[in-house]
Amino acid sequence: AQSVTQLGSHVSVSEGALVLLRCNYSSSVPPYLFWYVQYPNQGLQLLLKYTSAATLVKGINGFEAEFKKSETSFHLTKPSAHMSDAAEYFCAVSDGGYNKLIFGAGTRLAVHP
Amino acid sequence: DSGVTQTPKHLITATGQRVTLRCSPRSGDLSVYWYQQSLDQGLQFLIQYYNGEERAKGNILERFSAQQFPDLHSELNLSSLELGDSALYFCASSGTGQGTKNIQYFGAGTRLSVL
Repeated sequence: AQSVTQLGSHVSVSEGALVLLRCNYSSSVPPYLFWYVQYPNQGLQLLLKYTSAATLVKGINGFEAEFKKSETSFHLTKPSAHMSDAAEYFCAVSDGGYNKLIFGAGTRLAVHP
Repeated sequence: DSGVTQTPKHLITATGQRVTLRCSPRSGDLSVYWYQQSLDQGLQFLIQYYNGEERAKGNILERFSAQQFPDLHSELNLSSLELGDSALYFCASSGTGQGTKNIQYFGAGTRLSVL
């Protein structure tokens, strides 16, 4: 069975500071990993994906994530936070193909001036 | 814009009623997924259809059902509604190409309020 754990339900950073959102996964097969962002009253937007190619994945809006098999982690980072990054972020895992996504509980990112 | 369209955006109804949520996938996508997002359960997979056939079931209640029609749009039917069914319901679709079949694109969701 697959599962995702997001450490920290709330993260607060200053504008311009590093953003680090943590995600650990469990999977008995090579995983496909995703980060989605949800802005208030909106749907889920794909930020980036890992599908067994390069372990360092670059996404939209300056975000990137690194797949570390030995640590079963897929942490999301951004060098410099912007006010517009305030949102809820979800890490998800699937076993590929047309299979369902299993989501973490989400991390709400607050960015203060 | 993800290309996935969900209607209605908001739905307010009473306990015991039945509602239908509609989803139009991205053009050409054969696979449709339904998810429920609630405060206590988070984001949970409900059911998946592929080209009209049910492919996978998750934590979907027996009071809920879905189908995918020949034009590939999908409907999620929720009946005998309870207060606890109040949630945001998302539809997602994925493509058939090698680069897109692993990626799910989400609609904006239907917010259901059961009073």
